[in-house]
Amino acid sequence: DTEVTQTPKHLVMGMTNKKSLKCEQHMGHRAMYWYKQKAKKPPELMFVYSYEKLSINESVPSRFSPECPNSSLLNLHLHALQPEDSALYLCASSQEQGAREQFFGPGTRLTVL
Amino acid sequence: RKEVEQDPGPFNVPEGATVAFNCTYSNSASQSFFWYRQDCRKEPKLLMSVYSSGNEDGRFTAQLNRASQYISLLIRDSKLSDSATYLCVASSDSNYQLIWGAGTKLIIKP
Repeated sequence: DTEVTQTPKHLVMGMTNKKSLKCEQHMGHRAMYWYKQKAKKPPELMFVYSYEKLSINESVPSRFSPECPNSSLLNLHLHALQPEDSALYLCASSQEQGAREQFFGPGTRLTVL
Repeated sequence: RKEVEQDPGPFNVPEGATVAFNCTYSNSASQSFFWYRQDCRKEPKLLMSVYSSGNEDGRFTAQLNRASQYISLLIRDSKLSDSATYLCVASSDSNYQLIWGAGTKLIIKP
């Protein structure tokens, strides 16, 4: 099983809403990542979890809150987002943290109204 | 200067032709390199890892030139389904993170 799954596929939310994005992998990977991607731009790293612990936070605003409940799951909690946060949110995993092949989920397309 | 630079294209190429892209990286300490392809509104998918000796996978060949700090991707006998954005990725100076290029758009025309 070489798949990373993400839910939901699409999400529309208002600026006062609270929502969560979910990511799951069953490849036994110990590193998981959240990326944000705007149109015609490369993925932009947000957070890295290694062995279920937050390893990197790329100065992401606190309205984004990651959580890693176990080695297969990664969540991204959203609260009080801004319209400029609208983007494709991608989850990825790799065997270990570091400069290794990363495998991406299909992403959640988020629109903030 | 961007850490990983690519020609954004688009490269418009007839079906069956050979096309090559280069990507330059600024960090001489980078040790790992990858090519990903990304279709419109989809996630990036790993195409190839790039090794020092170069590597080939079917119609795709990747090369690394450390002296000039670039990697290349060659696609032979291009298919319509090769149309996508190709993202070049290099490891950071600590080799702890990946640095992404902005991508090269390829359009294969019938």
